[in-house]
Amino acid sequence: AQKITQTQPGMFVQEKEAVTLDCTYDTSDQSYGLFWYKQPSSGEMIFLIYQGSYDEQNATEGRYSLNFQKARKSANLVISASQLGDSAMYFCAMREGLDNNNDMRFGAGTRLTVKP
Amino acid sequence: EAQVTQNPRYLITVTGKKLTVTCSQNMNHEYMSWYRQDPGLGLRQIYYSMNVEVTDKGDVPEGYKVSRKEKRNFPLILESPSPNQTSLYFCASSSWTGRASNTDTQYFGPGTRLTVL
Repeated sequence: AQKITQTQPGMFVQEKEAVTLDCTYDTSDQSYGLFWYKQPSSGEMIFLIYQGSYDEQNATEGRYSLNFQKARKSANLVISASQLGDSAMYFCAMREGLDNNNDMRFGAGTRLTVKP
Repeated sequence: EAQVTQNPRYLITVTGKKLTVTCSQNMNHEYMSWYRQDPGLGLRQIYYSMNVEVTDKGDVPEGYKVSRKEKRNFPLILESPSPNQTSLYFCASSSWTGRASNTDTQYFGPGTRLTVL
């Protein structure tokens, strides 16, 4: 079964507008971590933001925020004031468990295109 | 500068010819892992290592081997590559120690694009 689902293969947003990239996850663990990574056309993977399952507040990092809805098992990435340089692939990922589940699962990704 | 390095960056080889992709990190991280990225599938974990001499299978370990003899190095070995192993490979490291409570930023290498003919 898919652990991480990103339902939007591609998204478009106008420069300076906000955009939400969807991510839902599947786990029975109580303790887990959620991550978002950006992959520009150059290919490198860039860490954006992290949310722990026990964190009470939504994570924020500059223009990035994570809309964490635990009951719905969703961890959507919100990018405010989009810039042309935000055009990239975005991956949602999850690490489950405490000590015995140490692998990380990634979604299929969403390609974001920012229009001038 | 904190970084993860991979070599080679690009490799074209033929079926059955053993190859090794090296990975090295200079951050003294305990945790290292290998992923492959394929279109529409995102990144899938091949193997990971929690520490020296400790390695475990990820989601797609078939056809791959790894070793962790030193903390900084985590080579990926394809004993007999096949065309279905044509992919983009990433090595990553982090300070992850096995507790989900700590923030675990994975640092990725630049990627190795492998083509097996």
